[in-house]
Order: sequence, then C-alpha cells, then structure tokens
Amino acid sequence: QITLKESGPTLVKPTQTLTLTCNFSGFSLTTSGVAVGWIRQPPGKALEWLALIYWDADKRYNPSLKSRLTITKDTSKNQVVLTMTNMDPVDTATYYCAHHSAALAGNYFDSWGPGALVTVSS
Amino acid sequence: QTVVTQEPSLTVSPGGTVTLTCASNTGPVTSVLYPNWFQQKPGQSPRALIYNTGKRHSWTPARFSGSLLGGRAALTLSGVQPEDEAEYYCLLYYGGTQVWVFGGGTKLTVL
Repeated sequence: QITLKESGPTLVKPTQTLTLTCNFSGFSLTTSGVAVGWIRQPPGKALEWLALIYWDADKRYNPSLKSRLTITKDTSKNQVVLTMTNMDPVDTATYYCAHHSAALAGNYFDSWGPGALVTVSS
Repeated sequence: QTVVTQEPSLTVSPGGTVTLTCASNTGPVTSVLYPNWFQQKPGQSPRALIYNTGKRHSWTPARFSGSLLGGRAALTLSGVQPEDEAEYYCLLYYGGTQVWVFGGGTKLTVL
C-alpha cells in the first residue's frame, strides 16, 4: 500500500523560504519509472503542478516557478523535499505530494498525501 | 503559456450521463498528452480516476470512462450517483517541455 504524508511549517513570513518534506512508504524511489511530485492548491482554487523528481534524480519544474523551486530526494529515508524561496501571500495553499509512475503501463499520478496547508503572512 | 481549459460547472440528474471535457491551447488533445482525471471532494485530497486517456485505476468505478472527443480529453460519468458530486480536474503532460498542467476544474453538481 502506497502512502505519502507532507510535513512542514504551517505559517511562513513573506520573503522566507519554505521547506516541505514528503515522507512515503510502499514504494522505492530507486525503482525505474517511479517519481514523486508536488502539487499545490490555493484555497478555493485549482490544482497547480509544481515539480517532479524521478528515480534517476532527473527533475522537472513548473516553468513559471522554476527559479524559486528546488526538489531533492533522500532514498535512504524515503523522503522528498521541496523548497520554495521568496514566499509571498499568494503562495498560501495546501501543498500535496503524490506518487508518480512513468512506466510503459502508464504515465500518471495515483496516490496522494493528505496535504499540508501553508499560510504566508507577516 | 500553456493553458488547459475545462467547463467551470455542470449539472446532472441522478442516474443521468454527463461528459466533462479538457482542452489545450496548444492544439488538439491526443493520447501523447497522457490525459489524467481526478476527483476532489471538499476537504479531501484529489483521487485519481483515469490515466492514459481512458485507463481506469483499480479503484475507479466502471461508470467513469475516459476518451478523446473532438480534440479534447473527455470524462464521461454514466449512471451518476449523488456521491459523484465533486470537483473534477484533468491533467495533461507536455512532453516537449516535460511539464504537467492541470485544468481549472469542473464543479459537478448532482441535482
């Protein structure tokens, strides 16, 4: 059974850097075709894909946020970390991590974490 | 900028059939965009329903089906149940830039 859970601060100040951790179980981020992604959702608004890290450490970012995002993985801890610099109140959102498969059988996100609400305010 | 567009809202009667669509401003949606569909209820995480245009996940009820329709990805709900009332999001993969883009979501009301 695949599970993921996001953790990090619930409140950050404008201009600060946000660091979120995704702890997962039920799969290995060393398996070919496996990836973990981050997605966010401002209150009452749509989902927005942020970043993806693959089993081979290849990384992809949302072009509109690329300069502010860094995604890394620690396979020994079953963790993926997302950092976002220069936080602004418009970055207030629930941040989700999700398991991704890019194998021959399909290209999809399937299991999601419960989400972590991050508020940006002074 | 790549924009993926969905109907903002749709209403369907219980037992009825409804089709939600997903369009891309870059051109027709095809299978190479690997359309994914998700359902999200208030206060919950998104739940994956469909991937690779029309493949169901193991937990997806058979009344949900995905297809390509008129240059768009489509999600059809047949025999709609009251519990299908939710927000539905499509997600497309742009292989040239290797990025994923969500649609704006469709709020489905079962009334």
